[in-house]
Amino acid sequence: DADVTQTPRNRITKTGKRIMLECSQTKGHDRMYWYRQDPGLGLRLIYYSFDVKDINKGEISDGYSVSRQAQAKFSLSLESAIPNQTALYFCATSDPDAGRDRTQKVTQYFGPGTRLTVL
Amino acid sequence: DQQVKQNSPSLSVQEGRISILNCDYTNSMFDYFLWYKKYPAEGPTFLISISSIKDKNEDGRFTVFLNKSAKHLSLHIVPSQPGDSAVYFCAASAFGNQFYFGTGTSLTVIP
Repeated sequence: DADVTQTPRNRITKTGKRIMLECSQTKGHDRMYWYRQDPGLGLRLIYYSFDVKDINKGEISDGYSVSRQAQAKFSLSLESAIPNQTALYFCATSDPDAGRDRTQKVTQYFGPGTRLTVL
Repeated sequence: DQQVKQNSPSLSVQEGRISILNCDYTNSMFDYFLWYKKYPAEGPTFLISISSIKDKNEDGRFTVFLNKSAKHLSLHIVPSQPGDSAVYFCAASAFGNQFYFGTGTSLTVIP
């Protein structure tokens, strides 16, 4: 079974609709992230959470909100979807202990992505 | 402003030869650097990383080189194989907090 899962995998919606993308992880990591990928722009950070009570805005948080329901679950909402939010969305996790020692490996584990189309 | 840049959108290499992917960064606070590989319809997967206390890290066919004075890192794949064809993202982080990604380089290894 995948360590990081995202639902739905594909979604087509209309302008103005509220959309929720869900992410679940079994890695036991405290840190979770939401990114969007656009052609030619790479991955850009939307929101990140270092634990259930800690939520932080990323580079491009406008138009998005998040909810960290539990250590294992991190949801991304588009309150009123617009066409320029059409993109591939990825959830990721990372180990909070990594980074404290510069000899430790730091990495993130990504879900398979959600392709969102806003018409 | 893009803090991590990959200036080559694509690269083609013959099977068996060396692939060199490049990445530049602007933030001197970055102390971890990572390379991810991404196939279509999948999430990025971690490939190799390096901390700022090193200038080279090797894992099998993959080697990452870090030049802190030039704020430049590179990924070498030797020998390149057709299965290496994918998009490669460079990423950087300060103390393992936020991760900043480049725009990706699409590698094609020609059999």
